[in-house]
Amino acid sequence: QQPVQSPQAVILREGEDAVINCSSSKALYSVHWYRQKHGEAPVFLMILLKGGEQKGHDKISASFNEKKQQSSLYLTASQLSYSGTYFCGTDSGSARQLTFGSGTQLTVLP
Amino acid sequence: GAVVSQHPSWVICKSGTSVKIECRSLDFQATTMFWYRQFPKQSLMLMATSNEGSKATYEQGVEKDKFLINHASLTLSTLTVTSAHPEDSSFYICSARWDSNQPQHFGDGTRLSIL
Repeated sequence: QQPVQSPQAVILREGEDAVINCSSSKALYSVHWYRQKHGEAPVFLMILLKGGEQKGHDKISASFNEKKQQSSLYLTASQLSYSGTYFCGTDSGSARQLTFGSGTQLTVLP
Repeated sequence: GAVVSQHPSWVICKSGTSVKIECRSLDFQATTMFWYRQFPKQSLMLMATSNEGSKATYEQGVEKDKFLINHASLTLSTLTVTSAHPEDSSFYICSARWDSNQPQHFGDGTRLSIL
């Protein structure tokens, strides 16, 4: 079953912050976050393994609440280059494959 | 970082043609490769999971006789769309990983247009 992402779309001004949420109905081994720009393949951002992880690099960080089966991606002081569609991919089965959410379209305006 | 190469980038061909797409992991051994299809403004839908040296596992609703997958080595998987029709037109993307706790790294995708 596909994880639920929210919001579906968000528009920001450069320098503003955003949070994207990903929620699953299944117990998760891990959550993966990707960003995809129009016409291109997804680019890996980070992976969070079970254990209540938080990770971050530069101004992008994420958390994973294993008990709630939720993950959030935090974008701080957004830059124009952050624009794109963000997907979470959840790993919940014995097959250890990812099921992707419907995506969150992020637009950063100057 | 890990690099996955996918070829070709674009294919335009007539209905009834078979099309072969290659996916190579360039700097790591991919024990598992995945094939996705993505329609405009939609999410990535997994078609099949391919493990080196064994038969691919197809997702429900994906015709294994139409979408032939071969994973002959730890660095190469191929997807062949047999007798393609206009409804097969889509963006096909492969990904590869070497361990289940490691990220999937995606190829650049293949845009397939069937006339």
